[in-house]
Amino acid sequence: RKEVEQDPGPFNVPEGATVAFNCTYSNSASQSFFWYRQDCRKEPKLLMSVYSSGNEDGRFTAQLNRASQYISLLIRDSKLSDSATYLCVVNRGGKLIFGQGTELSVKP
Amino acid sequence: GAVVSQHPSWVICKSGTSVKIECRSLDFQATTMFWYRQFPKQSLMLMATSNEGSKATYEQGVEKDKFLINHASLTLSTLTVTSAHPEDSSFYICSARDVFRDLKTDTQYFGPGTRLTVL
Repeated sequence: RKEVEQDPGPFNVPEGATVAFNCTYSNSASQSFFWYRQDCRKEPKLLMSVYSSGNEDGRFTAQLNRASQYISLLIRDSKLSDSATYLCVVNRGGKLIFGQGTELSVKP
Repeated sequence: GAVVSQHPSWVICKSGTSVKIECRSLDFQATTMFWYRQFPKQSLMLMATSNEGSKATYEQGVEKDKFLINHASLTLSTLTVTSAHPEDSSFYICSARDVFRDLKTDTQYFGPGTRLTVL
């Protein structure tokens, strides 16, 4: 079993749709949590950190449930430019552990 | 701030040759650097962690004699893939951390990656 598991993709949605990504992690020692975005053949870029209280950044909302070891990302009013692979990442002892990623394709 | 560069951005080599990839922190001192590998449609996998001036710590299953890591200065780490074979073809990405500045957040700054193709 992988330490960080994500929804299998790809997600194909129309512009303006709301899309949700889920992620679970298996190691309860994980300390901090992130969503990264990776465009094709590029390095991952930090999208947002995830906090237990939930946090929002514009159209993006992230949630963390430590008890169930579950992380989510909600994208509202999706844009063509949101098309990318979204990586769920946990920090365990200073190491970043990446999920496989979920590919999102936003269509006109 | 917090820019990390990698060189080369891509490389094609013959099987059996060695390839060196450089990772530089351009505007901060990287006390720790990380090397990742990503195969197509797969996750980034941590290969090793290197702290300036000490030997790298390799993840389980990563051959330290094949993937030589040197972190001789606070702004430069190198990864040398020795005797490369086609199965080593991958996207190699480094990241750097300034542990003194980002003590609370453990923020890592990623390089743009190096695409290695071994023929």
